[in-house]
Amino acid sequence: GAGVSQSPSNKVTEKGKDVELRCDPISGHTALYWYRQSLGQGLEFLIYFQGNSAPDKSGLPSDRFSAERTGGSVSTLTIQRTQQEDSAVYLCASSLVGTGWDEQYFGPGTRLTVT
Amino acid sequence: QKEVEQNSGPLSVPEGAIASLNCTYSDRVSQSFFWYRQYSGKSPELIMSIYSNGDKEDGRFTAQLNKASQYVSLLIRDSQPSDSATYLCAVPSGGYNKLIFGAGTRLAVHP
Repeated sequence: GAGVSQSPSNKVTEKGKDVELRCDPISGHTALYWYRQSLGQGLEFLIYFQGNSAPDKSGLPSDRFSAERTGGSVSTLTIQRTQQEDSAVYLCASSLVGTGWDEQYFGPGTRLTVT
Repeated sequence: QKEVEQNSGPLSVPEGAIASLNCTYSDRVSQSFFWYRQYSGKSPELIMSIYSNGDKEDGRFTAQLNKASQYVSLLIRDSQPSDSATYLCAVPSGGYNKLIFGAGTRLAVHP
């Protein structure tokens, strides 16, 4: 079956502009995660959605970052007023039910470059 | 102390040898552990999960877990040049709904 998909694969934006990144999880997976991978910071958790529960936003680095998940499926990560330090690969993952036992599967990522 | 620690490498092994990748974690109550492989410019790919003490084998890969020592390892038998990648160890944390990743160990298998 289809894996996690993300779009766009690459995004170049000017400092100060807003960007939207999209994630489509594996069909039937109720949990969705966003991570960020940058050279200096490794792979870090951003936000987690599970069903209709309130999302865990504990990893969002600033209030410029927000995410939503519509209809329990597709998710959008929005970064407002982008800064150069936002340049990274943004990775989306999904898992079946969202417990610590669950295996998370990653999408191909969106490489964001802020100029 | 970092929550999940790995040697950054590079770990260089000849083709056909056993590659041994190690990971230690700080949360004593952790119950599940994951190994991901990441090729340069690609996203992480899940290769092994392990939940119980001891060994778990899947093809050329063996994961080993020792909860008392807070140590998990990945063995790759008959290493191939195509195994050259960064291997990431991951442990759930924070209510177990997010993964904490080690910095990764870069493996280079040379012919």
